[in-house]
Amino acid sequence: AQSVTQPDIHITVSEGASLELRCNYSYGATPYLFWYVQSPGQGLQLLLKYFSGDTLVQGIKGFEAEFKRSQSSFNLRKPSVHWSDAAEYFCAVGVQTGANNLFFGTGTRLTVIP
Amino acid sequence: GAVVSQHPSRVICKSGTSVKIECRSLDFQATTMFWYRQFPKKSLMLMATSNEGSKATYEQGVEKDKFLINHASLTLSTLTVTSAHPEDSSFYICSARAPGRPYEQYFGPGTRLTVT
Repeated sequence: AQSVTQPDIHITVSEGASLELRCNYSYGATPYLFWYVQSPGQGLQLLLKYFSGDTLVQGIKGFEAEFKRSQSSFNLRKPSVHWSDAAEYFCAVGVQTGANNLFFGTGTRLTVIP
Repeated sequence: GAVVSQHPSRVICKSGTSVKIECRSLDFQATTMFWYRQFPKKSLMLMATSNEGSKATYEQGVEKDKFLINHASLTLSTLTVTSAHPEDSSFYICSARAPGRPYEQYFGPGTRLTVT
């Protein structure tokens, strides 16, 4: 069965520091991978996605993620965090069910300190 | 493009009443929409998949008679929480999948339901 693991529940970084949020997935076929961001009380915004091709994908707001098949990972990175990046981040895997569902990780809450 | 709206954004209702939440795809047609529920500090839980013109498919453990879903057009799906109780208080998020775009879902801004 498919699953998504985000091992870090909460991460705190200083503004301007680099960031890496971890995501591991379990799925038997080629995964479709996504990162979403959710600000408090808001819906989900797509940061980036991986379907195929180049394993390093660029997203909005300066984020990037790298798909590593050997490690079943899709970690999200940003070289310099801004205070506005404080939010909840969700990794998700799209699976080939009849409904093409997304399966979400439990999320990582990012706090940015001045 | 690919904007999904939800209405209302917040609703407070009394226990025993019903509440309807609308989900609209504003600039594309969505044959499939999804309804999620999110508990505080938790991830999204898929409640049901809504297909235009047919019955919704509910996830295990979700009461279909309590959470009525109607997808009457290619741009509108509604979720009605019937006989709401305080334990139904939650953040409900809908999403829509555009035809021809596998595994992509565009999310609405969510609806905060509080049942008193």
